Amino acid sequence: TQLLEQSPQFLSIQEGENLTVYCNSSSVFSSLQWYRQEPGEGPVLLVTVVTGGEVKKLKRLTFQFGDARKDSSLHITAAQPGDTGLYLCAGPPYNQGGKLIFGQGTELSVKP
Amino acid sequence: NAGVTQTPKFQVLKTGQSMTLQCAQDMNHEYMSWYRQDPGMGLRLIHYSVGAGITDQGEVPNGYNVSRSTTEDFPLRLLSAAPSQTSVYFCASSLTGALNSPLHFGNGTRLTVT
Repeated sequence: TQLLEQSPQFLSIQEGENLTVYCNSSSVFSSLQWYRQEPGEGPVLLVTVVTGGEVKKLKRLTFQFGDARKDSSLHITAAQPGDTGLYLCAGPPYNQGGKLIFGQGTELSVKP
Repeated sequence: NAGVTQTPKFQVLKTGQSMTLQCAQDMNHEYMSWYRQDPGMGLRLIHYSVGAGITDQGEVPNGYNVSRSTTEDFPLRLLSAAPSQTSVYFCASSLTGALNSPLHFGNGTRLTVT
């Protein structure tokens, strides 16, 4: 059973389109992180959200942490081919200190 | 700073063989961890360490051993490799392992067990 469920698992869109990736759990998380991974490399941190209801923007990327701290979303505006990659959410379950658990990832392909 | 260094980059083993995946970091990070990545499964935590001399199990620890004798190194041992251990393995470290401490990943070791 995946503690963090991401959807969709695959997403193929045209350049210029908008998209949203979801990260959901039945458990409460102290914080959630979003990573991006390119082929042959390790994931790289994009952002950490800490407070319930928090919204963070990183250029065309908008991250939101749910009020109940059980879900998060990543919205990309006007996607570009350079956004192509695997997007992963991760977090430490509230009562399991020291562990960072990942979702199964969303594979995004942006075609020119 | 080299960051997190993993060796080897690629490895092929026969069933039953043993090997050690090496991981070293030069950032003086207290927290280190090992993940395996399989298609459609994301990253699954194998073992982690919050400091030298301390290790604990993650989500999928069976078949793997770790030790943390120094702050810098966190090797992962496969005592008797099985085809189910074919995967890409990532080592990661963070400054404290605290809630908001970002993970720094190595570039992975691609392991095939035949």
